[in-house]
Amino acid sequence: QSALTQPASVSGSPGQSITISCTGTSSDVGGFNYVSWYQQHPGKAPKLMIYDVSNRPSGVSNRFSGSKSGNTASLTISGLQAEDEADYYCSSYTSSSTWVFGGGTKLTVL
Amino acid sequence: QVQLVQSGPEVKKPGASVKVSCKTSGYTFTSYGISWVRQAPGQGLEWMGWISAHNGNTNYAQKLQGRVTMTTDTSTSTAYMELRSLRSDDTAVYYCARAEYSSSWYDYWGQGTLVTVSS
Repeated sequence: QSALTQPASVSGSPGQSITISCTGTSSDVGGFNYVSWYQQHPGKAPKLMIYDVSNRPSGVSNRFSGSKSGNTASLTISGLQAEDEADYYCSSYTSSSTWVFGGGTKLTVL
Repeated sequence: QVQLVQSGPEVKKPGASVKVSCKTSGYTFTSYGISWVRQAPGQGLEWMGWISAHNGNTNYAQKLQGRVTMTTDTSTSTAYMELRSLRSDDTAVYYCARAEYSSSWYDYWGQGTLVTVSS
């Protein structure tokens, strides 16, 4: 199973919005509504930000939103804040009953 | 509150085995499964597998089949991941994470266990 494709890096200024894409295939992203997004700060464990494409866990800011079109899922962060600077990973359930992660995207808040 | 607490760092020689534990608390252990995810230094996340704490059913990443075994001990609400025939590219931080089903998201994570494989 190949890793999902994410941009290596994105950046934005405080208050702006950014979108991180996550491209897979019909055997993973396109075939299931089981896409999750995780935020990871350096030296820390990942934190769930979005599950099942567009659902936010309790406690996660509504500045984070998720969507999917075809084989590509997206994470949008609006009203960027300094604390959002982190690595972001998408993940998808697959037709092999396994999970696959994206390569990760480093978000820099300018 | 839900907590997953992992065992401490390990240093192993190539060819050896390692067993990492993940002790859980704050929820009904057998109502969820546990997934294991690893992260090599400076690299991304890699899914290793999932085990149901209800019935012990497992699903492993194909590339680790034959080298990895995931188990649970319901008496202590602890999950274990054993990796055998260690190689240098197994050096990574290993995380356990809670997932209700094999198709579920990971809502709580352990703190991670660094496993270093070096001669």
